[in-house]
Amino acid sequence: QKEVEQNSGPLSVPEGAIASLNCTYSDRGSQSFFWYRQYSGKSPELIMFIYSNGDKEDGRFTAQLNKASQYVSLLIRDSQPSDSATYLCAVNGDGNNRKLIWGLGTSLAVNP
Amino acid sequence: DAGVIQSPRHEVTEMGQEVTLRCKPISGHNSLFWYRQTMMRGLELLIYFNNNVPIDDSGMPEDRFSAKMPNASFSTLKIQPSEPRDSAVYFCASRPSGQANTEAFFGQGTRLTVV
Repeated sequence: QKEVEQNSGPLSVPEGAIASLNCTYSDRGSQSFFWYRQYSGKSPELIMFIYSNGDKEDGRFTAQLNKASQYVSLLIRDSQPSDSATYLCAVNGDGNNRKLIWGLGTSLAVNP
Repeated sequence: DAGVIQSPRHEVTEMGQEVTLRCKPISGHNSLFWYRQTMMRGLELLIYFNNNVPIDDSGMPEDRFSAKMPNASFSTLKIQPSEPRDSAVYFCASRPSGQANTEAFFGQGTRLTVV
């Protein structure tokens, strides 16, 4: 059973701080990794994706991938109250598998 | 592009009734996914289609659930008969052709309540 695990939270950080969200996965063949943000009552939307080991930065967001340890993380710098949402980690299998495996999400609260 | 369009946005029905959820994927996307989301189980993949063909329906909970994709621009998810435990938000998502390493775009979801 391929699994993706996230700490459900809630993770609470003060405005301006760095929020760190973590995700581990069980399938060593996984090749692509996605972070989605979901506001309450809304649909998930893509924040970042990463394929290669190391860091990928996009504005205030940095995704970090470590395939050897089978984890992927998302760092949010200068957290804003508008970042308060649930963050979902999704992992794609190898080959041409279009089936994403999803974590249950981490709830983030950024306090003004 | 209008994005993935789902209808209805909300559905309240009585136990035992048939429910049909509809989805129009983004034009040109050849993969379509139906998900169910609950607080307890998170986002669960029910079924996905590639080029209108069902590829993996292992997530369909039981025979009461069925899904069709008669053409590239339309898909339905049917529950018959519906039960209270089917209450959830149902999302449709589509993904562009080409590499598998591409994001899925979600519709706004259908919130289903079975009473």
